[in-house]
Amino acid sequence: NAGVTQTPKFRVLKTGQSMTLLCAQDMNHEYMYWYRQDPGMGLRLIHYSVGEGTTAKGEVPDGYNVSRLKKQNFLLGLESAAPSQTSVYFCASSYRTGNEKLFFGSGTQLSVL
Amino acid sequence: DAKTTQPTSMDCAEGRAANLPCNHSTISGNEYVYWYRQIHSQGPQYIIHGLKNNETNEMASLIITEDRKSSTLILPHATLRDTAVYYCIVRGGTSGGYQKVTFGTGTKLQVIP
Repeated sequence: NAGVTQTPKFRVLKTGQSMTLLCAQDMNHEYMYWYRQDPGMGLRLIHYSVGEGTTAKGEVPDGYNVSRLKKQNFLLGLESAAPSQTSVYFCASSYRTGNEKLFFGSGTQLSVL
Repeated sequence: DAKTTQPTSMDCAEGRAANLPCNHSTISGNEYVYWYRQIHSQGPQYIIHGLKNNETNEMASLIITEDRKSSTLILPHATLRDTAVYYCIVRGGTSGGYQKVTFGTGTKLQVIP
């Protein structure tokens, strides 16, 4: 049982390049989330999904797009990467909201030069 | 979601109990208190949660005041591996609808040999 898997683990982009981060969970969770973490700022919610085919904006959605075509996968896209998007990205999932705990992936370190 | 306030940092001697406080004075009646921790640059890890009563599991104990405006996470015998950032969050207990889960900057616990 892998839990929440993020790929890739590390990536270096040049400004203007695009990329997609993949989050996969094998726990049949309904809810999935993308966070970014910058030094001294804790975790900030980028986008989230409450089920297959649905997505919604979080605290810091600008510059990112997401898709949830399959229940087990949640994709985070950067169409035109900027240095301000240098960060560590974490994906999480939960069975449902309410009193369900979050399961996190191990993170993706992204550097935009 | 209700806001939480935690000290920025704390030290604890190895083998002693670590008591991490959290204020959540605006918590609603159906909101749970959750604790997570993040070791180094790994993804946050669930520790414990509770609604009104004190809770204990293999990792920690959670003490919630009677008025539910504050709580304390207790690590009974801190080890060097407990050095981490600890996050206290509150989130709704209803299964219908969605409540975003947001993390603050947490408490950085340093366990000292």
